[in-house]
Amino acid sequence: DTGVSQDPRHKITKRGQNVTFRCDPISEHNRLYWYRQTLGQGPEFLTYFQNEAQLEKSRLLSDRFSAERPKGSFSTLEIQRTEQGDSAMYLCASSHSRTSGSITYEQYFGPGTRLTVT
Amino acid sequence: QKEVEQNSGPLSVPEGAIASLNCTYSDRGSQSFFWYRQYSGKSPELIMFIYSNGDKEDGRFTAQLNKASQYVSLLIRDSQPSDSATYLCAAYTGSARQLTFGSGTQLTVLP
Repeated sequence: DTGVSQDPRHKITKRGQNVTFRCDPISEHNRLYWYRQTLGQGPEFLTYFQNEAQLEKSRLLSDRFSAERPKGSFSTLEIQRTEQGDSAMYLCASSHSRTSGSITYEQYFGPGTRLTVT
Repeated sequence: QKEVEQNSGPLSVPEGAIASLNCTYSDRGSQSFFWYRQYSGKSPELIMFIYSNGDKEDGRFTAQLNKASQYVSLLIRDSQPSDSATYLCAAYTGSARQLTFGSGTQLTVLP
């Protein structure tokens, strides 16, 4: 049983550097989400893909952030010119997209990548 | 007003007691609700989901949904110290079916 995996698990970088995170979803899931979580808060939505198409981006996703999901498999999230405010846990989740009426299947999270910007 | 609100706690209950966690939501269009458990430093783990009004039971956990009152709750029976964690309530909102989370309730089960 392979769940969602993320790499790296921890990343420490200096302000101004670029970082890239990878997410591998559950194999039969065609929806992939990125969230960001800071201490004491729930995860906040960043962006989502259905297959290879990026269908929605949150206003939290500034121009320094970019995400891709080539071929609808794994996804990468890149942060350019990191700032101290980018320090957070970056979470990836995946789900089916088949719906029954208005119901959509549940999301399963990966272990997250903890980013520290010094 | 946040779309999903939870009491931040902390909530402490003795071992063996029932822990009651509450959540309210503002988007009447939300149809699906989820409870996640998150241990310190770990990622959220799905415990239960509920789509219909009423109760849904799974082992020691019962989720309750009242769409008229826009209220979701999670009951944990026979609480164990291993249940000590932050519990996150979430609802599907928006066109992307993104999950909107509350800030979480920190639960401590005292031995």
